[in-house]
Formats: sequence, C-alpha cells, structure tokens
Amino acid sequence: EAQVTQNPRYLITVTGKKLTVTCSQNMNHEYMSWYRQDPGLGLRQIYYSMNVEATDKGDVPEGYKVSRKEKRNFPLILESPSPNQTSLYFCASSLTSGGYNEQFFGPGTRLTVL
Amino acid sequence: AQSVTQPDIHITVSEGASLELRCNYSYGATPYLFWYVQSPGQGLQLLLKYFSGDTLVQGIKGFEAEFKRSQSSFNLRKPSVHWSDAAEYFCAVVGGAQKLVFGQGTRLTINP
Repeated sequence: EAQVTQNPRYLITVTGKKLTVTCSQNMNHEYMSWYRQDPGLGLRQIYYSMNVEATDKGDVPEGYKVSRKEKRNFPLILESPSPNQTSLYFCASSLTSGGYNEQFFGPGTRLTVL
Repeated sequence: AQSVTQPDIHITVSEGASLELRCNYSYGATPYLFWYVQSPGQGLQLLLKYFSGDTLVQGIKGFEAEFKRSQSSFNLRKPSVHWSDAAEYFCAVVGGAQKLVFGQGTRLTINP
C-alpha cells in the first residue's frame, strides 16, 4: 500500500531532551516536507526536500533540523525542544516539487514538550 | 505573498443539508488551488484540485468546488452532507517555490 508513515504517533517529552520524528514513504517520491499544525494557524511548512541531500527552510524552521540521506526517509530532529514546539506534525511527500503534484500526508505526530 | 483565508472557523450543519465552505486566496498569477480534508486522528487527504480549464471541479466523496477569479474564491460545496463528513477542511494555494500555503481550516460538525 502506498503510504507515508511517521513514528512515533504520540510523544511527550521534557524541555531540552533531543528527539527525532521519523518519516518514510514507499512511493519513490522526490519531494518531502514537514509541517506543523496549530489551532487557528492551519499548517505551516517547517522544512522541505527536493531530493536526496537537498533540503531547505520553510516558513518556520527555527529549532528544527532535517536530513535526507535516502530518498524514502526524511527525519525531523529537535535538538533542544521547547514548550512552544508542542504541536501536531505532519510529513508529506509528492512525486516531484511541482506545485500541481498532490501531496500525500502521513498520519501525524502529536508532540507535547513539558 | 500568497495567502489563503477561510472565514469560518467552525460550521455546524444538519445531516442531509447542503454545505458550502468558503475560501479566499491572494495570488497574482493563475493559482493552483486545493481542498484537503482531515478526519479526526488522520492525516490530510486531497478532496479536489483546480489548475485550469473548467471552473467547476468535482472531487471525491461527492464534493465539488467552483473557482471564481473575479472574487478570488474557491468555495467547497456538497449538496447533502453525511455524518462521516465531520472533519476539518483546509483550502490551500501553491505559491512561490512551489510551496503549499494553507488556510486556517474550517471545522465541520454534523448534527444528526
């Protein structure tokens, strides 16, 4: 089944404790992206990747890192999480970076930083 | 910069009633427009999209949307809602750098 998977789905952590949220797609998509969803703000892009070893900042990159060493995986890294990073996170992928391509979303990761 | 406004944060309709969710966009050129639905605990699923051509587009689950350039709108409609349509709905436009820009979302509640 074609899908985007994220792990973990739920995570409660404490301020400053490094964490990684994994994202994997099995559709051989070139483009991958991370969003955060906050009430009243919709989804905002954190980082995106056009292809392997090609990543760039989105609208809200502060406090996050990403890497794209393999085409299928695009982990999101929070080196020192803070409470303002409590949010619902979505990974997405599409065939290429063209805006006309449908983006496929993972199920989301709900992160709470205490 | 591109932007999307969904004026209604929360809408409640009765099952079987018609539905219209509003979306207004700001973009200089011809936009690529999307509607996504997020069911509780799920990721986002594409309902429909508009790139060019016929301004009335059909999507999945019986939804349709109409692009009106003069009003910068892309409203989503359904003639008769079902309880399973309860979800959050997002309008989005593709802006610079081929990036999706989302509206704030509209939460739809269905009364039995």
